Amino acid sequence: KAGVTQTPRYLIKTRGQQVTLSCSPISGHRSVSWYQQTPGQGLQFLFEYFSETQRNKGNFPGRFSGRQFSNSRSEMNVSTLELGDSALYLCASSVGQVNSPLHFGNGTRLTVT
Amino acid sequence: GENVEQHPSTLSVQEGDSAVIKCTYSDSASNYFPWYKQELGKRPQLIIDIRSNVGEKKDQRIAVTLNKTAKHFSLHITETQPEDSAVYFCAPQGGGYQKVTFGIGTKLQVIP
Repeated sequence: KAGVTQTPRYLIKTRGQQVTLSCSPISGHRSVSWYQQTPGQGLQFLFEYFSETQRNKGNFPGRFSGRQFSNSRSEMNVSTLELGDSALYLCASSVGQVNSPLHFGNGTRLTVT
Repeated sequence: GENVEQHPSTLSVQEGDSAVIKCTYSDSASNYFPWYKQELGKRPQLIIDIRSNVGEKKDQRIAVTLNKTAKHFSLHITETQPEDSAVYFCAPQGGGYQKVTFGIGTKLQVIP
């Protein structure tokens, strides 16, 4: 099985712009969750989607949003970028049952200048 | 929400020694306890997990032990090797679907 695929791998944006990141889960996985990873804060949960519905949301401002398509692929959007949004954004897929392990993609490295 | 504390934040051991990383959580509903390993520049990967009906699980040189009463679980690595050098994260789960709180991570350095 192919693993979790995230595109693009790297992005450089300017403050105030918006960005869209993409995640294709492992075939058969219906849950996709997103995490922000920074050196000081570790891995922080953004949101989780299952069958096109957002089931959980972390403590991030409304500038961070996401969606999931009928084929389970997911996108994450960040509007009005700030310098502090520079981070590695990881998505993870799972079968979506309670307490199932996460399978991570390689991440998208976002740099905001 | 779940409060997760992981100790130590950094750990240096000589090759061949053992390493232990502890994770303390607050949500008594947690019933799934995985550990993830993230090598430099790579994705986090599940290395071992345990469910609440089991007290210990072992897979070759790694093991996880669980104390549900005290709300902590630990990762044990024996006979450490340089390739064990990485950041290790605990991520206790339970209650809500996939709203996972990760520990801050432990950077393990194995000195040859």
